Amino acid sequence: VVMTQSPLSLPVTLGQPASISCRSSQSLVHSDGNTYFHWFQQRPGQSPRRLIYKVSKRESGVPDSFSGSGSGTDFTLNISRVEADDVGVYYCMQNTHWPRTFGQGTKVEIK
Amino acid sequence: EVQLVESGGGLVQPGGSLRLSCAASGLSVSNFSMDWVRQAPGKGLECVSSISNSDKIYYADSVKGRFTISRDNAKNSLYLQMNSLRDEDTAMYYCARGSNWGQGTLVAVSS
Repeated sequence: VVMTQSPLSLPVTLGQPASISCRSSQSLVHSDGNTYFHWFQQRPGQSPRRLIYKVSKRESGVPDSFSGSGSGTDFTLNISRVEADDVGVYYCMQNTHWPRTFGQGTKVEIK
Repeated sequence: EVQLVESGGGLVQPGGSLRLSCAASGLSVSNFSMDWVRQAPGKGLECVSSISNSDKIYYADSVKGRFTISRDNAKNSLYLQMNSLRDEDTAMYYCARGSNWGQGTLVAVSS
């Protein structure tokens, strides 16, 4: 399954919203009814960290400024107000279909 | 608390071999699909090999025939045997399961 993110680079002003899109080459709805689509954040020098799982569920400790939405083949990560701590690369990932596959990554930086 | 700790990386000449290990705690490697994900310098995430809980195995085309994934349930560990290494295998290699990722082990292939 090919995952295509846009944009690949996202300069944002502090306090402003940001949005990243991800499209899959086939539906991510599993036969069990779940959609195993997730968002990861990778800060510079760190391992990836999962922010959002199953489209819209936030991991424990993730600020509510992050939200995920979408269905089928089209998904979006929104950051309502970008903070300095949000700088990094964001990846979408699916594991509805084995093996897991990632998007190319979107680099979020402060203008 | 789940912990995944990788080891075994290092500097190796082209054509050489390395064996990566991932020691797991807080989860049983036999019960889950486990992945080796790599990240070349400045690049995105690539799942190079996976092993399912039913022993189904996946290899990326770029490593097929050169890498072998395995696990030792008694040691609760995952392994990646890497042979015939090439310059393009230079990357940080992560052991991953769902939201759990290790800190990575760096493989550098250079003469």
